Amino acid sequence: EIVMTQSPATLSVSPGERATLSCRASQSVSSNLAWYQQKPGQAPRLLIYGASTRATGIPARFSGSGSGTEFTLTISSLQSEDFAVYYCQQRRTFGQGTKVEIK
Amino acid sequence: EVQLVESGGVVVQPGGSLRLSCAASGFTFDDYAMHWVRQAPGKGLEWVSLISWDGGSTYYADSVKGRFTISRDNSKNSLYLQMNSLRAEDTALYYCAKDIMDSGEYYFDYWGQGTLVTVSS
Repeated sequence: EIVMTQSPATLSVSPGERATLSCRASQSVSSNLAWYQQKPGQAPRLLIYGASTRATGIPARFSGSGSGTEFTLTISSLQSEDFAVYYCQQRRTFGQGTKVEIK
Repeated sequence: EVQLVESGGVVVQPGGSLRLSCAASGFTFDDYAMHWVRQAPGKGLEWVSLISWDGGSTYYADSVKGRFTISRDNSKNSLYLQMNSLRAEDTALYYCAKDIMDSGEYYFDYWGQGTLVTVSS
């Protein structure tokens, strides 16, 4: 079973700054990786799939990169609405999440 | 507009059964695989089950295999999850989620708001 490990658990960032979230797979998953954003009381929202393809309607400040076992979600300039929990996912397995909070 | 609306979540005793439903609208339901994903209170996301566009293929997480059954009725644009032999650890918010493909790529582009299942005596 593939294990997905996200880091850090919590990321404190000021509005307007760049945020870099990491996700590591216990074995190669090629580019089969997605990122989701979840705000309190809301369902998750697909941001990125195929490691780097933005989902419909996702702003360009969100970008994904990586392949194999190392993946990154970058938010180029954090907006107030971006403070949330972010999950990476490889098929049936989700990471434990990274909470992006206001610094 | 794509809409997924779950229902059926209640408080049930350990060992009990429950059937969740998900009503879909705003897209061609039988063009896409569908999933159930759950989230225990204050915890992360856990994939539960997948059904292909025609219902011909189904898959389950090890944690629910043999106890849960996923099904769909394309004539009613509806997805179901029959849950038997429920345990305390099944307590969670259950989301219905649409796949981006017909056979199941495990990318979930639309989600419902969830229905809460509580297993407690």
